[in-house]
Amino acid sequence: DAKTTQPPSMDCAEGRAANLPCNHSTISGNEYVYWYRQIHSQGPQYIIHGLKNNETNEMASLIITEDRKSSTLILPHATLRDTAVYYCIVRVVRSNSGYALNFGKGTSLLVTP
Amino acid sequence: DAGVIQSPRHEVTEMGQEVTLRCKPISGHDYLFWYRQTMMRGLELLIYFNNNVPIDDSGMPEDRFSAKMPNASFSTLKIQPSEPRDSAVYFCASRRLAGVHEQFFGPGTRLTVL
Repeated sequence: DAKTTQPPSMDCAEGRAANLPCNHSTISGNEYVYWYRQIHSQGPQYIIHGLKNNETNEMASLIITEDRKSSTLILPHATLRDTAVYYCIVRVVRSNSGYALNFGKGTSLLVTP
Repeated sequence: DAGVIQSPRHEVTEMGQEVTLRCKPISGHDYLFWYRQTMMRGLELLIYFNNNVPIDDSGMPEDRFSAKMPNASFSTLKIQPSEPRDSAVYFCASRRLAGVHEQFFGPGTRLTVL
């Protein structure tokens, strides 16, 4: 699986957009980009994933550069409850594979009032 | 659905004792994963099962650790004998066969070995 690089920490004001970057310059053509987050004392939670196109769901948007070497997770209107560690994971997906996740250090996002 | 259920939520034991952690995956899910989280090593995969069969246990630290899945609705992770360095939060996760993109995690068991 491709290695990912994320800033260790970020701050964001409540109500503003939080833009979390992830570098995955060695990504291969069949690897997906996933984002999970972990709120303090809870298990990780799936946010979103993408392959080539930008994606949006009720939680966030995922912007993937055209060369796929980096991506950005966007929380459009951050709230205090979005304070968490955010993990960017790159993984090949096969229908018969376990798809075990390889979590790195992640980015600790602090949303302030 | 109640989600992935883990028990106990907290466990404190003394070195040398046997510890058993339990997990009930989401009904209908075909894969079950055990992860361990520490400050030093972060979140790391220990083992995973497909249809109750262990597929990859390369992350299990040593022979003191064992995991079983006797049926589709129950799995255990056992540490015998436990050591202080086993202190960590242990997470169980599950996913559907068709749901390759999303794993659902339980709340974790915080284990402290004195």
